[in-house]
This record gives sequence, C-alpha cells and structure tokens, in this order.
Amino acid sequence: DAGVTQSPTHLIKTRGQQVTLRCSPKSGHDTVSWYQQALGQGPQFIFQYYEEEERQRGNFPDRFSGHQFPNYSSELNVNALLLGDSALYLCASSLDRDQGPFYNEQFFGPGTRLTVL
Amino acid sequence: AQTVTQSQPEMSVQEAETVTLSCTYDTSESDYYLFWYKQPPSRQMILVIRQEAYKQQNATENRFSVNFQKAAKSFSLKISDSQLGDAAMYFCAYRSAGFGNEKLTFGTGTRLTIIP
Repeated sequence: DAGVTQSPTHLIKTRGQQVTLRCSPKSGHDTVSWYQQALGQGPQFIFQYYEEEERQRGNFPDRFSGHQFPNYSSELNVNALLLGDSALYLCASSLDRDQGPFYNEQFFGPGTRLTVL
Repeated sequence: AQTVTQSQPEMSVQEAETVTLSCTYDTSESDYYLFWYKQPPSRQMILVIRQEAYKQQNATENRFSVNFQKAAKSFSLKISDSQLGDAAMYFCAYRSAGFGNEKLTFGTGTRLTIIP
C-alpha cells in the first residue's frame, strides 16, 4: 500500500519564476492538504482540496494556487516566486469523514524542498 | 484563530529515561483534536498520538502518553524508556472538530536529542 508520494524531492528556482509541485495521495484517500514549512518552523496550512475544489484556505496570497485531478492527485502552483517562498512543502492526504470513520487522519508525504535564489 | 505554543525549542534525555514535552494552545472552541507529530531527519511527518477534546481519559500509545488538561489548555507528551529512534523534531498540533475545517495548526516544534 503506497503512502503519500511527492515530486520532485528538491527544486531550485530563481525569483519571479513559477513552480509546480505534485502529490499523489495514499491509496483510498480523496482529500489533499498542502502545508508550507519554513526552516525551523512548524508547517503552515496553505489549502485543502476535496472533490476537485478548494475546500479550505489558509493565509496565503493568490500566488499560491492548486488543483486536484479526478484520480485525487494534486498540484501546488506558486507564481512570481519570492525568496521567502523557500521552504519544505508538505502534502497530506485523508479520507473525507463522510466516506469513512468520524476521524480522518492526515497522512503526510516526505515533502518537496524548494529553494528560491 | 487558534494558536499552539511549544516553549521548549530543544530537549535532551538519556536513553531509557523519561522525558516530557510541553504544549499549550489557545482556542474558543469546545470540540477539537490535539496531536503530537514526529518529524525525523527524513522529513516525513508521523503521527505519534492524538487526543479528542471530549474525552477525559488521556491517550496512550505504547511508550507515548499525554497529559491533557482542557481547562488549562495544556497538552504535554511523555515519552517513557526513550530510544535512539525517538530523536526527532516533535510538533504539537490542533484541529477543529467542525466539518470542513480540517486544517492542522502546528506549534514551532521541540527538537529531542537522545543521549546514549
């Protein structure tokens, strides 16, 4: 049973560029959440996708956008990269509670390390 | 908005001893979940233990247990018989129990070192 996978593992970009990160959820999961973890900090919630729509969003600018595909995989896009976007980007998947037990634990992937120069 | 505070940036413990990591949180909600996650150098966040706020009994998972004080908004993690594999960053996290509000709010973490 494959867990949450993310690609790429590492990425280096320059300021102003655009980047796309990818996430495949754990088998059987239908919900994907994205988090940004700056160095030495705890993860910060970016947004969550369910049924191909953004269901909840954290305090991130519109430069951060996402997409969920019919197979539940997801992409995180960041436009006009800033130095401050350098971070570990974590994807977490879960099973919507209407489809499973009352508690839907989030399982995390290994993350994508983004460096903006 | 909910906040989570971990006041111990670093902790160390001798192998086989017991260590307690502290966490406080602030919320106006009455129903929520609390978690402790472990993040080893491999970066993958692993759930250690969870606590439902409506349950008075403290959660226990093998060597890991929590002391949940709802009135004090405190949620500490006790690791017994510490092992070298316990070395990692530990994050305390909060999640509302409300449907559709599933974001996790994390603290800044505690780096745990195990001394052989």
